Amino acid sequence: ETGVTQSPTHLIKTRGQQVTLRCSSQSGHNTVSWYQQALGQGPQFIFQYYREEENGRGNFPPRFSGLQFPNYSSELNVNALELDDSALYLCASSPGGLDTQYFGPGTRLTVL
Amino acid sequence: AQSVTQLGSHVSVSEGALVLLRCNYSSSVPPYLFWYVQYPNQGLQLLLKYTSAATLVKGINGFEAEFKKSETSFHLTKPSAHMSDAAEYFCAVTKGSGGSNYKLTFGKGTLLTVNP
Repeated sequence: ETGVTQSPTHLIKTRGQQVTLRCSSQSGHNTVSWYQQALGQGPQFIFQYYREEENGRGNFPPRFSGLQFPNYSSELNVNALELDDSALYLCASSPGGLDTQYFGPGTRLTVL
Repeated sequence: AQSVTQLGSHVSVSEGALVLLRCNYSSSVPPYLFWYVQYPNQGLQLLLKYTSAATLVKGINGFEAEFKKSETSFHLTKPSAHMSDAAEYFCAVTKGSGGSNYKLTFGKGTLLTVNP
């Protein structure tokens, strides 16, 4: 059974650019959540997708957007990158919204 | 709103000593509680979870945690620390009642150092 995978592992962008991060959920899981983990902090909830629909959103601006595909994989898009967007972005999947979330290894984004 | 407070951003123990990492939560409804571990440059791995069944929860790698409603606490313990336990530990809460209780709210983490 394959766990949660994320790509790319690392990414360097400059201010104002746009970025897309990808996540493949664990087999049998229909729910994907995205979190941002700044250096030295705990993860912060960005949003969750359940069966291709957004199922809740944290305190992040609209330039953070997402998609979930029919195979339950997901993308996180960030427009107009800012220096403070530099962080580890974590994707987690679960078999349902309330079930245990299983995390991927994360994508380290650096904005210069 | 839910919140988690982890007391002590850094805990240092000797190998073989007791590990105690503290977590207090705030929730207006019965919570589900989790402990995750993060090794350097990796994602989060689930150690254990409390979902309103037994208040003493056993997890992987010899860790356990006890849910104490009266103290709003969910402290993580391990009787004897091993060098491989050195990592960052996060306590997290989500609402345990029905509905779209979807997001995990994390504490700021506790870095555990194990000295030989």
